[in-house]
Amino acid sequence: QVQLQESGPRLVKPSGTLSLTCDVSGGSISSNNWWSWVRQPPGKGLEWIGELHHSGSTNYNPSLRSRVTLLMDKSKNQFSLNLRSVTAADTAVYYCATYSVTYPGSEFWGQGTLVTISS
Amino acid sequence: QSVLTQPPSASGIPGQRVTISCSGGSSKIDYSYINWYQQIPGTAPKLLIYRSNQRPSGVPDRFSGSNSGTSASLAISGLRSDDEGHYYCATWDDSLSGRVFGGGTKLTVL
Repeated sequence: QVQLQESGPRLVKPSGTLSLTCDVSGGSISSNNWWSWVRQPPGKGLEWIGELHHSGSTNYNPSLRSRVTLLMDKSKNQFSLNLRSVTAADTAVYYCATYSVTYPGSEFWGQGTLVTISS
Repeated sequence: QSVLTQPPSASGIPGQRVTISCSGGSSKIDYSYINWYQQIPGTAPKLLIYRSNQRPSGVPDRFSGSNSGTSASLAISGLRSDDEGHYYCATWDDSLSGRVFGGGTKLTVL
């Protein structure tokens, strides 16, 4: 059973960079999984941010691509999200999640962390 | 505005069967790869159905999925009060080269 835990600043100033890390336990980040980020503004629906694979492949939401970087640290078994030039519209609960390519239906989510963009 | 369209709300009484639809205008959506998620307030989404009609281990068979080629549906039978929450469909959209979610359907058990 893979477990995911998001961590990072809960308050970010406008125009700054939102940085979150997802710690992976119970599985290897080098497994044949996609490691992804999804966000949910308060009271709204889910928005996919992007995903990465240990092979180096990445996919990004076209609407966020210019501001997003996803990275993986295999030595720490974690992956991270950097979102630049944030505004109040980026205030959301941010979830990290993973789904297996080898075993469809095997999918795990972190509990989510609320990040507020405010001065 | 979501690429996948869901009704904003649905409701039913305990024991009833309800269905939630999911459709989109893109010809690049393969409805045989639709996932369905349940989100209880204050918790992370939980995968209910993958590849249109497959249930992950541990998901009750009260939950079932189907697709017609141009849309997908989630059915919940034997409705229970703890089924209340939001339900989202999702899939990969080749035209966007990204994953897309429906706007979500709020299910109320009356």
